[in-house]
Amino acid sequence: GAGVSQTPSNKVTEKGKYVELRCDPISGHTALYWYRQSLGQGPEFLIYFQGTGAADDSGLPNDRFFAVRPEGSVSTLKIQRTERGDSAVYLCASSLDSGGTDTQYFGPGTRLTVL
Amino acid sequence: AQTVTQSQPEMSVQEAETVTLSCTYDTSENNYYLFWYKQPPSRQMILVIRQEAYKQQNATENRFSVNFQKAAKSFSLKISDSQLGDTAMYFCAFMKQRRGNMLTFGGGTRLMVKP
Repeated sequence: GAGVSQTPSNKVTEKGKYVELRCDPISGHTALYWYRQSLGQGPEFLIYFQGTGAADDSGLPNDRFFAVRPEGSVSTLKIQRTERGDSAVYLCASSLDSGGTDTQYFGPGTRLTVL
Repeated sequence: AQTVTQSQPEMSVQEAETVTLSCTYDTSENNYYLFWYKQPPSRQMILVIRQEAYKQQNATENRFSVNFQKAAKSFSLKISDSQLGDTAMYFCAFMKQRRGNMLTFGGGTRLMVKP
């Protein structure tokens, strides 16, 4: 595919459940970012991967949130013991090398609803 | 820390007219990038235009242009000959010129183009 893809498009879960959100970056992009966009707000940074490693996870709100990128391509954002406040659109973006000059390209996001 | 402020929550414009969206930011960095992203109801964040802070010349992309005032830390977006397809949320974003840096977004401006 030409762009960043994210699955599922929508996810509804119950409070306390575990969820996984998947991101497929653009082929060849080594940098991958996760953002969270609450209703009516701009996206907020969660975590950045350079290759397989999480180079900056300072945006993760607490230890219920975790993300992996084991082979340096697909990434999964994992949320344990979901809370209603976790409801948001989770956006993934990728860029070539993140050398400070590379544009980030976004996927369509996953809308998470926690009941 | 960087902050980005968009003071216009909503704007409207008649088709074929010109509209300007405002953005101010605060940073102690000297080298950075500024972006305008468009987010239609599909949720896909689409890059509209980018500006390197070291460039004095304002960026232009077809009907889209910016007015970048570095000293004033202002970065407005002008849309000429507005089209119905321009209806969307518009986000201003800041990025340090450094590897692995996340985007810091403003709160967005909802633009409605009226026929």
